[in-house]
Amino acid sequence: DSGVTQTPKHLITATGQRVTLRCSPRSGDLSVYWYQQSLDQGLQFLIHYYNGEERAKGNILERFSAQQFPDLHSELNLSSLELGDSALYFCASSPSMGDNSPLHFGNGTRLTVT
Amino acid sequence: DAKTTQPPSMDCAEGRAANLPCNHSTISGNEYVYWYRQIHSQGPQYIIHGLKNNETNEMASLIITEDRKSSTLILPHATLRDTAVYYCIVRVARQGAQKLVFGQGTRLTINP
Repeated sequence: DSGVTQTPKHLITATGQRVTLRCSPRSGDLSVYWYQQSLDQGLQFLIHYYNGEERAKGNILERFSAQQFPDLHSELNLSSLELGDSALYFCASSPSMGDNSPLHFGNGTRLTVT
Repeated sequence: DAKTTQPPSMDCAEGRAANLPCNHSTISGNEYVYWYRQIHSQGPQYIIHGLKNNETNEMASLIITEDRKSSTLILPHATLRDTAVYYCIVRVARQGAQKLVFGQGTRLTINP
């Protein structure tokens, strides 16, 4: 158990809808990262938050947004969903930023868009 | 971050040592080598990381060559549960450069 909790585990929704994925980092970790893994793309970095502030963006679509709250949990919002958004979404956390601490990943949310 | 090269797949017999190679010839002095694995569709699991010295923990050993251009992850007594995709990642430790960039990894199959 990595200590990173993601909910829900599975989500099935229709095209055009909006969903919110939630991540609770390990106790004491200030950094949260979101990754997307689809069958043909591998693990793709989406976005990084540190202590409530956005720190880095990867290949995140404009239809997607994220935030990190004062209690350090994070939410990834996906809107106007398309079939191609079907994927596993992983959250990871680490204690800080700028050191060599490893990231620890949750077990993901499997999103299916029909 | 430096690019890594790993074989796409490997096989190993149960109970034997699994040695997974990784080339990172463009690694720079402040870049660490990290190893993760992903079992089926679970979240990537951290295994070990190092800068230039060999490292060992309860899961594995990491051997980094003296010139740091390559490394080997060693699972000393592989079990069927070690079947997974193993990722070798090079990552610099500096302000703002925190994300891990995953490649295609090595699919390791442990055979009974």
